[in-house]
Order: sequence, then C-alpha cells, then structure tokens
Amino acid sequence: KNEVEQSPQNLTAQEGEFITINCSYSVGISALHWLQQHPGGGIVSLFMLSSGKKKHGRLIATINIQEKHSSLHITASHPRDSAVYICAVATGANSKLTFGKGITLSVRP
Amino acid sequence: GAVVSQHPSRVICKSGTSVKIECRSLDFQATTMFWYRQFPKQSLMLMATSNEGSKATYEQGVEKDKFLINHASLTLSTLTVTSAHPEDSSFYICSAPPGAGHKNIQYFGAGTRLSVL
Repeated sequence: KNEVEQSPQNLTAQEGEFITINCSYSVGISALHWLQQHPGGGIVSLFMLSSGKKKHGRLIATINIQEKHSSLHITASHPRDSAVYICAVATGANSKLTFGKGITLSVRP
Repeated sequence: GAVVSQHPSRVICKSGTSVKIECRSLDFQATTMFWYRQFPKQSLMLMATSNEGSKATYEQGVEKDKFLINHASLTLSTLTVTSAHPEDSSFYICSAPPGAGHKNIQYFGAGTRLSVL
C-alpha cells in the first residue's frame, strides 16, 4: 500500500464546477503539500499545510491530521486549471517528501 | 518569491553519453537540495539528497556511481547521469528548502526531460 493515496486517477469537470481532490496518507507527517504539474512537467507549489485550512484565490486546502486526510478544492473551475494535482507529505526533520501519483484534472469549457 | 532554476529543460542524447543537470537557488542559500525522478504516469520518486560540502545521500536502489551529485556551493547542485541508457529516459526535477526557519517549505525547479536514444 502506498504511503500517499490519491483517487480517482483521472477527473473531468465542466467549467464553473466546484471540484474536490482528496489525499489520504498512512504515516506521521510534519506537513502536507499540494502541487500542480502542467503538461510541460514543471511543478508549482500550491499549498503547504500542517493543520486547518488555507485559501489562495479560487483554491482551498484543508487537512485533518487525526484522519490523515487532506482535500484540495477548486471553486469556479476553469480550463486553465487542467493539470495534474499531486499530494506530497513531508516526513522527518530533513523535509524529504513522499508523493502520491497525482490526479489528472481536465476542465472542459 | 524564492526561485529554483533548473537547466536544461530538455535534453536528447545518444546512449553512452553523460548528461549534466544543474539546479540553482536564485535568491536563497540551499544547504540541501533534493533530486527526484518521474517516469511516465508514475509519481515523483526521491533519488538523492544533495548536501552542500558533503556527500549526497542516495535512496535505496539508486546507483551513486551512475547518478553523480555535486553540491559545491550554497546555490548550486548538479546531477550527472553517467553513461546514459534509454532506461534512464525520464523527467528529473530538483527542489530546495530555503533553510532554517522555513521548515517543510520546498521550492521546485521546472524539471529536465531526458531522452536517451
């Protein structure tokens, strides 16, 4: 069993829809990252959180430490949100990350 | 904000040649940098931790003589894929935490797509 699980592998939505992407993990963590990877491969860090909730523009990330679960919400989705969304957890004192496989999101106009 | 620059973004080489990938922190000092590899439709996997002024720490199954890491300054780490073969074709990406007081923050390079013919 992977330490970081994301599902489903692929997600399709219509422009304007509210989208939720989930991540579950099985190890103790010091922080959880949500990353966005576009088709060219480059990675953008969206959020880093260790508790509670963070919001940036149309994106909201939440984490429940007791349940070992995090969600990434996208409000008023847009085709430019189409990308792979990766959940990664930081374990240990040296910031090493363990990654989920990512969810491929396609937002149709 | 902090930026990590990775170069080149894409390289195509013949089997048997060596390829060097650079990862630079542009406005912060990085005593540690991480190198990852991503095969198609797979998750990013940590290859090694690059430590300024000392030897890199490699993850299990990663050959240190195959993937040479040099972290000679506080702003530059290089990964050299020696005698590259087609099975080394992958997406390589680096990241760096900005240091003390910024625990768990990571800045990522844009990645290098290596194709070995």
